Amino acid sequence: AQSVTQPDIHITVSEGASLELRCNYSYGATPYLFWYVQSPGQGLQLLLKYFSGDTLVQGIKGFEAEFKRSQSSFNLRKPSVHWSDAAEYFCAVAPTSGTYKYIFGTGTRLKVLA
Amino acid sequence: GAGVSQSPSNKVTEKGKDVELRCDPISGHTALYWYRQSLGQGLEFLIYFQGNSAPDKSGLPSDRFSAERTGGSVSTLTIQRTQQEDSAVYLCASSGSGGPDTQYFGPGTRLTVL
Repeated sequence: AQSVTQPDIHITVSEGASLELRCNYSYGATPYLFWYVQSPGQGLQLLLKYFSGDTLVQGIKGFEAEFKRSQSSFNLRKPSVHWSDAAEYFCAVAPTSGTYKYIFGTGTRLKVLA
Repeated sequence: GAGVSQSPSNKVTEKGKDVELRCDPISGHTALYWYRQSLGQGLEFLIYFQGNSAPDKSGLPSDRFSAERTGGSVSTLTIQRTQQEDSAVYLCASSGSGGPDTQYFGPGTRLTVL
């Protein structure tokens, strides 16, 4: 069955530190890949997406993600975290045909220490 | 332009009552999705509309759930005879083409069933 795993439920980092959020997927082929962020009381905002091409993808707010086919991973990174990055982060995959409905991971809640 | 809007933002109802949740997608977007975000279940797909095609209802958890989309724009998700396990945040998303395109999410409706 198709699935997305975000192994870290909670992550705490200090402001200015680097960040990596993990995402692994199980899918028959390479799906489309997304990272979304959800701030408290807000909807989901797209950070970045991978459809094809360069496996290192740049997104908004200084985030980037790298697609590694051999590891079925799409980890999200940021070199220096800001206090405003505290939020919940969701990795999602979508099939490359059909209804393109997302399959979400369970999310990683990021806490940033001042 | 305006993003995806949802109403009401919060809904408290008694067990057994029917509720209607509304979604206004981004103007011109042909695809519309409903997701449910609940504790313990994460984010799960409910239903998908694309233009005039028959909707993909494969994610609806029971026959108490139904949705319609009028005129290819506004959508209403109806839950009949609500149960406590229906308590969740219901998110609506739209995308421009229904293809592998970014989905834009609304702020959600928080449903509480007492």
